[in-house]
Amino acid sequence: GAGVSQSPSNKVTEKGKDVELRCDPISGHTALYWYRQRLGQGLEFLIYFQGNSAPDKSGLPSDRFSAERTGESVSTLTIQRTQQEDSAVYLCASSLASGRGGTDTQYFGPGTRLTVL
Amino acid sequence: DQQVKQNSPSLSVQEGRISILNCDYTNSMFDYFLWYKKYPAEGPTFLISISSIKDKNEDGRFTVFLNKSAKHLSLHIVPSQPGDSAVYFCAATGDYKLSFGAGTTVTVRA
Repeated sequence: GAGVSQSPSNKVTEKGKDVELRCDPISGHTALYWYRQRLGQGLEFLIYFQGNSAPDKSGLPSDRFSAERTGESVSTLTIQRTQQEDSAVYLCASSLASGRGGTDTQYFGPGTRLTVL
Repeated sequence: DQQVKQNSPSLSVQEGRISILNCDYTNSMFDYFLWYKKYPAEGPTFLISISSIKDKNEDGRFTVFLNKSAKHLSLHIVPSQPGDSAVYFCAATGDYKLSFGAGTTVTVRA
């Protein structure tokens, strides 16, 4: 079956522009997560969706970052007024149900590499 | 504040030998630990996990060991194969958020 897909795979933008990153989770997965990986670092949690609700947005680094999910499916991560420190790989993951990360395996997409010039 | 640390950024091992990857954590609320494997231009893929109620979990060539008192876990790959060359991430969780280490790049030499 299809895995988690993300688009675009690469995005180069100028400082100050807005960007939208898209995630298509595995069909039927109710939990969806966004992480980012800066160069040389591990993945950092950004936000968690259960259905269309986001009970945990604690990892979003600033109010320039927002995310939404519709139809318990596609999610969009939006970064407004991008800064150079936003350059990273943004990864989306989905899991079947409760989102209990340990016992409910998270499946990752290939990521979007964002470069802010 | 990095709660999961992989102190070895890289590891080179001969094909057929054992690869040992190490991971340390600081958060005592973590009760589930995972290893993910990542190839270039792909997302991380789940490899093996262990609950805090166990000290060992084995799956084929992969074994994860957990030492709770030391807040340390390790991944053993025996025997190492060329296809094992990848970046390995250690992750830990106490709920649904995964906290990741920075990764260890494993190179298996023929």
